[in-house]
Amino acid sequence: GDSVTQMEGPVTLSEEAFLTINCTYTATGYPSLFWYVQYPGEGLQLLLKATKADDKGSNKGFEATYRKETTSFHLEKGSVQVSDSAVYFCALSGVDSNYQLIWGAGTKLIIKP
Amino acid sequence: GAGVSQSPRYKVAKRGQDVALRCDPISGHVSLFWYQQALGQGPEFLTYFQNEAQLDKSGLPSDRFFAERPEGSVSTLKIQRTQQEDSAVYLCASSLEGLAFRDTQYFGPGTRLTVL
Repeated sequence: GDSVTQMEGPVTLSEEAFLTINCTYTATGYPSLFWYVQYPGEGLQLLLKATKADDKGSNKGFEATYRKETTSFHLEKGSVQVSDSAVYFCALSGVDSNYQLIWGAGTKLIIKP
Repeated sequence: GAGVSQSPRYKVAKRGQDVALRCDPISGHVSLFWYQQALGQGPEFLTYFQNEAQLDKSGLPSDRFFAERPEGSVSTLKIQRTQQEDSAVYLCASSLEGLAFRDTQYFGPGTRLTVL
């Protein structure tokens, strides 16, 4: 079945550092890919998404490109801020899962001033 | 407009008690989902509604779990005879369309259930 694997955390960076959180997936066909973020004490929020190969999703300075050849959707940001500290989840929705979101385990990001 | 709301935000139950968790989706959203999120893990699918029809309940862990959406809007997740392993955050999400895997799911804040 479909699955998502993302890098384990916590990831600790200094402010203004470059961020990469790796995400790879296994799915039939061409799933839609998502990054959700969960800030402390808040619910899950969609950060960005991509629905077909080579699409780039972007929001709030974060970017991720749908790479079919490497089955990846890595999250990047050029200069992180303390306010980016949160848990980041990679997820997919595909033909087999149809309407369900299949989730990674989440990566906790800690940004130090 | 208003997002997805859930109530209560926190629930403490003694083992063996029944609980009911409520979800108010975004108005007009066809699809409604329930997920269970254990501490430090990603959410796990429980069940899916398209309007009032429960199209998939394959993720419900046991027959003690029951969900309904009788009028195609508000949904209730009921857990009977709660057990300690039911302790988790229960998330509700809604999306505009039905059975559209490109559609975005919008999440509520969750209900944190603790079973003592």
